[in-house]
Amino acid sequence: QSALTQPASVSGSPGQSITISCTGTSSDVGGYNYVSWYQQHPGKAPKLMIYDVSNRPSGVSNRFSGSKSGNTASLTISGLQAEDEADYYCSSYTSSSTFVFGTGTKVTVL
Amino acid sequence: EVQLVESGGGLVQPGGSLRLSCAASGFTVSSNYMSWVRQAPGKGLEWVSVIYSGGSTYYADSVKGRFTISRDNSKNTLYLQMNSLRAEDTAVYYCARADGSSGYDYWGQGTLVTVSS
Repeated sequence: QSALTQPASVSGSPGQSITISCTGTSSDVGGYNYVSWYQQHPGKAPKLMIYDVSNRPSGVSNRFSGSKSGNTASLTISGLQAEDEADYYCSSYTSSSTFVFGTGTKVTVL
Repeated sequence: EVQLVESGGGLVQPGGSLRLSCAASGFTVSSNYMSWVRQAPGKGLEWVSVIYSGGSTYYADSVKGRFTISRDNSKNTLYLQMNSLRAEDTAVYYCARADGSSGYDYWGQGTLVTVSS
């Protein structure tokens, strides 16, 4: 049950697009279309941004999009805004019927 | 309106036990799969345990054999019984709901568990 691998930090200027990667194995990310992404601001509970690889919950901005290729999933934030500055985590279902989170990525808006 | 309210956190000595509760409203806990997720101070999210709608339970290797997840359908409440607690179990514990997809769409506010002598 090793954590999924994410870059520690990603930054971009307002209006730019950034992409966060999430690398696992064929036993988790690569084996199922059950990847989700969460946004967490300091001191707050996580918020679901993407589920089942590429689906957005109601109320989440369409600036957030998800995709997957092989064992790597990605979250793209387009039109970066100041309020997007937060920590982001991916998560995947696994072949053991459990779940695993990513190591987390701090997004900084320059 | 869906709400999840955790309780039961606090300070406990190493080797001690604690039971966390997560009172749900606006939905039925037995109709969804429910999980506990924790976050150590200044660290990332760590998945802890899940109970599926059918009652099957699974755990992270780090807590297997020490923690037990359960639910009381009559009280619409999720529980996490934590035994043989260690310093590394110190964290904010969140309960979370998944509504048929892979994503946890509702989270509680979290309850802090501190394991220290």
